[in-house]
Amino acid sequence: EIVMTQSPVSLPVTPGEPASISCRSSQSLLHSNGFTYLDWYLQKPGRSPQLLIYLGSNRASGVPDRFSGSGSGTDFTLKISRVEADDVGVYYCMQAVQTPITFGQGTRLEIK
Amino acid sequence: QVQLVQSGAEVKKPGSSVNVSCKASGVSFTRYSIAWVRQAPGQGLEWMGGIIPLLNSASYAPKFQGRLTITADKSTNTAYMELSRLSSEDTAIYYCARVVVSLNFDFWGQGTRVAVSS
Repeated sequence: EIVMTQSPVSLPVTPGEPASISCRSSQSLLHSNGFTYLDWYLQKPGRSPQLLIYLGSNRASGVPDRFSGSGSGTDFTLKISRVEADDVGVYYCMQAVQTPITFGQGTRLEIK
Repeated sequence: QVQLVQSGAEVKKPGSSVNVSCKASGVSFTRYSIAWVRQAPGQGLEWMGGIIPLLNSASYAPKFQGRLTITADKSTNTAYMELSRLSSEDTAIYYCARVVVSLNFDFWGQGTRVAVSS
């Protein structure tokens, strides 16, 4: 099973400031087909998770360009260029290169 | 508009089973897979398994092998998750999600709360 480790666990951010979340996997997420199966999800308080970034760096439909994903192999980063109040919630990375699909433990973003 | 609508909250006794449904609308059900993910109170997300309705082929996380059954009814665009031999540790919100070809979960159901208590 691939273990996903996120940091930090908690991330207090001032509105308008940038934020960055790290996700590391215990094995490479690069598939033999050339795709890297790493996604980012945001779960807002009391809501279902929503897709932000797929295949490492592709923004999902409707996701603001303030959000960006980068990385390769085993090291990945989600960046928010300017945090807004609506960005609060728990961010999860997820790998789908092999089953069982596994998630990071989550990073809770809060507004200072 | 794609929607996944799940069945309502359940309260179950230890040792019993629960069956949660997930009805898809606004999308051709057989073109995608459906995943089931759960979230225990105050905890993170846990993938349980999934199904390819077109092939009626399911896969399960090793943790749930033997007590989880995922099925799909193409005629009603509905997927089902049945978890047996429930214990208090199965108290959680259970989500279904659509899985697209790039293996991400692009649409999620609203979640179904399952409480296991004697």
